[in-house]
Amino acid sequence: RKEVEQDPGPFNVPEGATVAFNCTYSNSASQSFFWYRQDCRKEPKLLMSVYSSGNEDGRFTAQLNRASQYISLLIRDSKLSDSATYLCVVNIGGTSYGKLTFGQGTILTVHP
Amino acid sequence: DAMVIQNPRYQVTQFGKPVTLSCSQTLNHNVMYWYQQKSSQAPKLLFHYYDKDFNNEADTPDNFQSRRPNTSFCFLDIRSPGLGDAAMYLCATSRLGRISGANVLTFGAGSRLTVL
Repeated sequence: RKEVEQDPGPFNVPEGATVAFNCTYSNSASQSFFWYRQDCRKEPKLLMSVYSSGNEDGRFTAQLNRASQYISLLIRDSKLSDSATYLCVVNIGGTSYGKLTFGQGTILTVHP
Repeated sequence: DAMVIQNPRYQVTQFGKPVTLSCSQTLNHNVMYWYQQKSSQAPKLLFHYYDKDFNNEADTPDNFQSRRPNTSFCFLDIRSPGLGDAAMYLCATSRLGRISGANVLTFGAGSRLTVL
């Protein structure tokens, strides 16, 4: 089993749609969870951290389910500019800085 | 205003000719990472430094070496690049701790390596 696993997609959705991605992780001691966004041929950039109680930033909502060991990202009212690869990142080691491991990414394409 | 700077942005080398990629940061973060990202794949951690402590991933080839002469700089040396080493090499930094913002990776723009 991979340490961090995502559905690679691609997800093709129309503008205005709601889309959700999941990411599973294998180490129950993992403590830090993040969603990054990567545009084509660019570096990954932090989209949002994922907190235990769940958190929201505008159209984006992140959730953590420790019991089932997954995190999710919900995007509401999709925009064309949301088209990108969404990377799940987990602190696998469980230490305060640890080993930050990426999932393989989920490709999202938002079309008119 | 760039905080993690990688040089060069694009590097073309010949098969077997050593390459050095550099990374500098102005964030005073104590953890620095080197990731390798091939086309359509996730970034793969090669190694990281926690201050001066070097942590090598078990599956990182010996062909890859790293140096961190001070807090601000980190280098990736590829001793004998092969065709399979063509990739984007991403440097990232993070700050130790459990406080807000800790463990968040800040990436440089990457160095794209082509091997001929």
